[in-house]
Amino acid sequence: DTGVSQDPRHKITKRGQNVTFRCDPISEHNRLYWYRQTLGQGPEFLTYFQNEAQLEKSRLLSDRFSAERPKGSFSTLEIQRTEQGDSAMYLCASSLAYTDVLNYGYTFGSGTRLTVV
Amino acid sequence: TQLLEQSPQFLSIQEGENLTVYCNSSSVFSSLQWYRQEPGEGPVLLVTVVTGGEVKKLKRLTFQFGDARKDSSLHITAAQPGDTGLYLCAGGGAGNNRKLIWGLGTSLAVNP
Repeated sequence: DTGVSQDPRHKITKRGQNVTFRCDPISEHNRLYWYRQTLGQGPEFLTYFQNEAQLEKSRLLSDRFSAERPKGSFSTLEIQRTEQGDSAMYLCASSLAYTDVLNYGYTFGSGTRLTVV
Repeated sequence: TQLLEQSPQFLSIQEGENLTVYCNSSSVFSSLQWYRQEPGEGPVLLVTVVTGGEVKKLKRLTFQFGDARKDSSLHITAAQPGDTGLYLCAGGGAGNNRKLIWGLGTSLAVNP
């Protein structure tokens, strides 16, 4: 297992198009998180899953955003009708159970850089 | 709302200088973590501190958790250009939050 993988690394799309990103977490990690990050800022929480259950969604996650983790393994984040304000780095992270997070933290992927033109 | 405030937001120094980055909150955390992020990559965990007053050293980096577990600092001795990056603190275990609370980061540039 080589860590958390995200695909694609970069995506340029026209405003109004739909985009989908994929995240493959570390196999034994049951928690998966999506964050959004703009240049030079900290990560903004979007949503997280424990196995296949989506346990929390940020108010940042408008109805144009949807995330799934159908089999408790990989996850997808879809943005419909993209807007220029959606341009950001989308980070995926995975972790063991929450009590382990306090000691071992999150493992992040390299992110997907989205540019909406 | 729980917040972690980091200061300074930006720091540009010369190689060989020392620096300290701060992470402060009004909330008590069970643990506090420091991550470093390079451009175009995800954050990477540097250290976790869990005990009030705890000090951990990682080569030229010294991390301290405040006695009340509300704040932390990161001190870098003799900074090198390879230390350049975004330093993020994240707190866990406060209240009923089941995820880490993130600071906005300190962007460090070490000039040769």
